[in-house]
Amino acid sequence: KQEVTQIPAALSVPEGENLVLNCSFTDSAIYNLQWFRQDPGKGLTSLLLIQSSQREQTSGRLNASLDKSSGRSTLYIAASQPGDSATYLCAVTTSGTYKYIFGTGTRLKVLA
Amino acid sequence: DADVTQTPRNRITKTGKRIMLECSQTKGHDRMYWYRQDPGLGLRLIYYSFDVKDINKGEISDGYSVSRQAQAKFSLSLESAIPNQTALYFCATSDLTSESYNEQFFGPGTRLTVL
Repeated sequence: KQEVTQIPAALSVPEGENLVLNCSFTDSAIYNLQWFRQDPGKGLTSLLLIQSSQREQTSGRLNASLDKSSGRSTLYIAASQPGDSATYLCAVTTSGTYKYIFGTGTRLKVLA
Repeated sequence: DADVTQTPRNRITKTGKRIMLECSQTKGHDRMYWYRQDPGLGLRLIYYSFDVKDINKGEISDGYSVSRQAQAKFSLSLESAIPNQTALYFCATSDLTSESYNEQFFGPGTRLTVL
């Protein structure tokens, strides 16, 4: 059974710092991995999707990497800003089922 | 206009009442999903549908039912609401194509409180 873990559960950093959020999964037979952002009480916004054949994806200040063999993905945020404060969730789709399994998220606070 | 909409956005109801949450999408996606989110537990899949004639149970389907009325509409029902169904409910859509790779898009959520 696929399990997805995100560590740390919460993180506070000063504005301008580069940071890395981690996502681990137990079954390497994934179809894709998606990173989301969720503001309090709001829906999820898709940030990046990495196909199983890809190693990384970039969008603006965000870079997501994928290492299937080790069951890990990282989301790198460059030059963090207070507006980046939110909960970041990763989710994987396992090959064959195409259902998403979510981690419990990392709550990020960027201090001005 | 939002691509994935949910109604109502907030609902307070009493134990034992039947309630329906509705989801509509204009993305033209075949796949639709219902999740619930609880603090500390993340998002858990309730039901999903890969096309109009396909309905599947997720990991926590007990106490819920769904209806896929059309490609664009997917409703979640609580036949007899109980307090531990108090949660934030999300609808999502995706399409399994060589362009979209099953990327999921979420609605804004429905906050349900069962007293």
